[in-house]
Amino acid sequence: DIQMTQSPSSLSASVGDRVTITCRASQSINNYLNWYQQKPGKAPNLLIYAASSLQSGVPSRFSGSGSGTDFTLTISSLQPEDFATYYCQQTYSTPPTFGQGTKVEIK
Amino acid sequence: EVQLVESGGGLVQPGGSLRLSCEASGFTFSRYWMHWVRQAPGKGLVWVSHINSDGSTTSYVDSVKGRFTISRDNAKSTVYLQMNSLRAEDAAMHYCVKGGAYSNSQFDYWGQGTLVTVSS
Repeated sequence: DIQMTQSPSSLSASVGDRVTITCRASQSINNYLNWYQQKPGKAPNLLIYAASSLQSGVPSRFSGSGSGTDFTLTISSLQPEDFATYYCQQTYSTPPTFGQGTKVEIK
Repeated sequence: EVQLVESGGGLVQPGGSLRLSCEASGFTFSRYWMHWVRQAPGKGLVWVSHINSDGSTTSYVDSVKGRFTISRDNAKSTVYLQMNSLRAEDAAMHYCVKGGAYSNSQFDYWGQGTLVTVSS
């Protein structure tokens, strides 16, 4: 199985900050990398698919980049509603696997 | 509007069984892969199983192989997860998720989940 490792596991940031979360795959996954946001008590929500494509309805302050084994999710200007946990996921091979999550907290 | 509504969760004793259901609406169900993903309290997301559009291909995470069975009824726009020989470690929120036309497509819509509790 492909292992997905996110860093950091948590971070504290202020409204307006630029936030970057990284995700590394244990082998090349081309661009089969997705990002999800999950708020407490809610189901995850797709933000970015195929490494850099913005899901419909997702604000443009979210962006993704990378290919192969190293990927990044960037929030250009953190908003109050962005405090949540973020997960990367590879769908290159079965089983699809998730990173352990990055919790973004208010500083 | 895409909707996925899960049901069937609850409290079950170790060794017991549950059948989860997920009724879909707002899209052509028979065209898409469907998945189950679970999340234990305070933990991360774990993919459990998937099924292709016509039900001919299924896969499972190793920890549930031989105990869980995924199936679908395209006439009813419903996907199922039969869970047998339940263990304490199966306790989690179970989400029904819509995939794409291919097995490696993104998971674009999630249900609100149904909670499975395994305890004596």
